[in-house]
Amino acid sequence: QKEVEQNSGPLSVPEGAIASLNCTYSDRGSQSFFWYRQYSGKSPELIMFIYSNGDKEDGRFTAQLNKASQYVSLLIRDSQPSDSATYLCAATTDSWGKFQFGAGTQVVVTP
Amino acid sequence: NAGVTQTPKFQVLKTGQSMTLQCAQDMNHNSMYWYRQDPGMGLRLIYYSASEGTTDKGEVPNGYNVSRLNKREFSLRLESAAPSQTSVYFCASSDVIGETQYFGPGTRLLVL
Repeated sequence: QKEVEQNSGPLSVPEGAIASLNCTYSDRGSQSFFWYRQYSGKSPELIMFIYSNGDKEDGRFTAQLNKASQYVSLLIRDSQPSDSATYLCAATTDSWGKFQFGAGTQVVVTP
Repeated sequence: NAGVTQTPKFQVLKTGQSMTLQCAQDMNHNSMYWYRQDPGMGLRLIYYSASEGTTDKGEVPNGYNVSRLNKREFSLRLESAAPSQTSVYFCASSDVIGETQYFGPGTRLLVL
């Protein structure tokens, strides 16, 4: 069983709408959570990270963390065609803080 | 400031051949990582180096070796390549373990 689970998608979102991506994790000791965006053929790039329960906003992106339910989500507001990519969720796994990545959710924003 | 660089970008090997993937970072980071990415599998950690002079196995270390040459450089060696090692390999670095990781552009490896 993978420690970090994501719906593989594709998640089709109309331009201007909100994209909602979910990620669940199994290690209750996970402390830090990261969202990366990966365009096809490119390397992952950080969107944002979150450590504390609740919401964290950065521009059009909002990360939400609920440690009791062991899920973290990413909202993309006013989705643009340039947001079409695969979004990777990562959680630190143990006291050493190594990352465990989910397989990613593909988002397709349609004009 | 180039960030994390990797060489080569592409490589084709025959089964049994050896090669070394090079990675360097100019961000003065302490920790470095090697991942492989396969379709539907996400990123899987091969080896990591928490700090200069240390290396440890990750999730999928079999068939690979690593060297932390200095604080900047972390290489990955395939001693006897197998078709199962066909993948995209990413090097990453972070200030310390558990902090944000920054990725290189990747090396696409095909083993025939």
